[in-house]
Amino acid sequence: EVQLVETGGGLVQPGRSLKLSCVASGFTFNNYWMSWTRQAPGKGLEWVASITNSGGSTYYPDSVKGRFTISRDNAQNTLYLQMNSLRSEDTATYYCTRGDNWFAYWGQGTLVTVSS
Amino acid sequence: DIRMTQSPASLSASLGETVNIECLASEDIYSDLAWYQQKPGKSPQLLIYNANSLQNGVPSRFSGSGSGTQYSLKINSLQSEDVATYFCQQYNNYPTFGAGTKLELK
Repeated sequence: EVQLVETGGGLVQPGRSLKLSCVASGFTFNNYWMSWTRQAPGKGLEWVASITNSGGSTYYPDSVKGRFTISRDNAQNTLYLQMNSLRSEDTATYYCTRGDNWFAYWGQGTLVTVSS
Repeated sequence: DIRMTQSPASLSASLGETVNIECLASEDIYSDLAWYQQKPGKSPQLLIYNANSLQNGVPSRFSGSGSGTQYSLKINSLQSEDVATYFCQQYNNYPTFGAGTKLELK
């Protein structure tokens, strides 16, 4: 059974940093691109970042480019999202998702709240 | 960025009814479209990919269609467990989502 378990969310002040982790199991992690997608409270979904299966290439929308960094450790079956210079508009539940086109598997999400 | 315009924003339907949700892309996405269902407090679940391919385990009352810029999700014989918010998503370019359709029972 595919499982994606995110950790690392919490309350953080504007301008500070936070790093999310996602531990994957139930599939061969290094065969798949991985992504992060977020959802602001009561709002829609926004793709945040994707990384190739090797980790050699990464992709971001303009809203987070230069502030967020996606990475992975294939030996540990773990995906990361380093978030710097956080803003109030980054407040959301962050989901780890498998794939880079359609997302067949989602974690349970971890809530990030950016507030002073 | 490719914009996805989803309609309606909300709808109310009766048990057993057929429901249609539409998604309009700002440019041709060549059937690179997925549909998701999200129940309150839960993660989204994939229903349809490649515009009309049913994800494993999804009931056959769900179907997708469309091409070019216009796509739709159809739910036949609405069940109580179908009450949820539905999102479309294109992946022809960097992924973008529609704003969602909240489906309630009448």
